[in-house]
Amino acid sequence: ELKVEQNPLFLSMQEGKNYTIYCNYSTTSDRLYWYRQDPGKSLESLFVLLSNGAVKQEGRLMASLDTKARLSTLHITAAVHDLSATYFCAALPMDSNYQLIWGAGTKLIIKP
Amino acid sequence: GAVVSQHPSWVICKSGTSVKIECRSLDFQATTMFWYRQFPKQSLMLMATSNEGSKATYEQGVEKDKFLINHASLTLSTLTVTSAHPEDSSFYICSASHSYSNQPQHFGDGTRLSIL
Repeated sequence: ELKVEQNPLFLSMQEGKNYTIYCNYSTTSDRLYWYRQDPGKSLESLFVLLSNGAVKQEGRLMASLDTKARLSTLHITAAVHDLSATYFCAALPMDSNYQLIWGAGTKLIIKP
Repeated sequence: GAVVSQHPSWVICKSGTSVKIECRSLDFQATTMFWYRQFPKQSLMLMATSNEGSKATYEQGVEKDKFLINHASLTLSTLTVTSAHPEDSSFYICSASHSYSNQPQHFGDGTRLSIL
């Protein structure tokens, strides 16, 4: 059974700093997704990672996938206040095309 | 593309009322639709998965008589919370899948349900 563990669960940091959020998963999966959720809102898709070594970047966020280590990372560069949100990773089991297994989420607060 | 519309966005009602939430895929036919529940500061909890024209598959611990799901067409699924009580207050999110997307699920905007 696929399980997804996300760390840290909460992160408060100053603007301008860098940090990485980690997403470990327990069994083989080659499809990993990152989402952003603002308070009171639904989920916004950030990154789709579909192969080992995949790296995607959008602005100050960069996501990567290492299927051998069963690890995905979301790296924040020179954080700004607008990036404050909760970030979720989710993985697809090998035997499913649609049903996502979710991490617990990382609540990120960036202070000016 | 791949827009999912969820309605209503916020409902406040008295205990004992039944509340229906609609989830529509606006520009695609959804193979599968999912209903999630999210409590404050927690991750999404999958309640049920439904395919058009067949009965929904409920996750363990979710009462199917309490949370009625109807998936009558490839573009519409409804969740009815029957005889709602304060403990049913939560944020409910639907999502829809189709075969020609690199995203496994496309999410609606969510419905905040508050039972007094």
